[in-house]
Amino acid sequence: DVKVTQSSRYLVKRTGEKVFLECVQDMDHENMFWYRQDPGLGLRLIYFSYDVKMKEKGDIPEGYSVSREKKERFSLILESASTNQTSMYLCASSSTGGFEKLFFGSGTQLSVL
Amino acid sequence: EDQVTQSPEALRLQEGESSSLNCSYTVSGLRGLFWYRQDPGKGPEFLFTLYSAGEEKEKERLKATLTKKESFLHITAPKPEDSATYLCAVQALGANSKLTFGKGITLSVRP
Repeated sequence: DVKVTQSSRYLVKRTGEKVFLECVQDMDHENMFWYRQDPGLGLRLIYFSYDVKMKEKGDIPEGYSVSREKKERFSLILESASTNQTSMYLCASSSTGGFEKLFFGSGTQLSVL
Repeated sequence: EDQVTQSPEALRLQEGESSSLNCSYTVSGLRGLFWYRQDPGKGPEFLFTLYSAGEEKEKERLKATLTKKESFLHITAPKPEDSATYLCAVQALGANSKLTFGKGITLSVRP
């Protein structure tokens, strides 16, 4: 089975801190994605990557950046955390043309105080 | 703009009581419609992809159907372990087209 592992289950940070969320997948998938999930808003795409060192903006990239130096690892960076970035962050990967059959990690619940 | 509306927001069923979850969508040319299941504290898990009107897919007690405007997830004789949030998403035609998710339907099945 595909495994997508997110480095932290829960994270508490202070406003203004730089935050790194790490995601690793073990199935040699080309495509990786970062979503955030908020009550009443559903899943929203932040950034995605089709290949190493490639990145594309999703629907809500403001305040975030990403890094993909290796195929299996996709990092989400909050340059200066703000309280409105408190959310559940979900990483996903896929092997097919793009968004077909996403495999999700268990999520990181980030609280920014 | 692509839109996905799921209804009802929450559904409570008695074990064995069959029902359907609705996903209405508007998209400028459908590439695919996706159903996911999400358990509390976990990421969504892929269930089905439907590509064209009239298509149906089944998995255990679940059957997904698709028309030009909506999709239904039919649950036959549900069990408590079917309790979860069910997410619907659509992908429009076009290169690098992203998924648009609905807000989900929370299903509770009482024993």
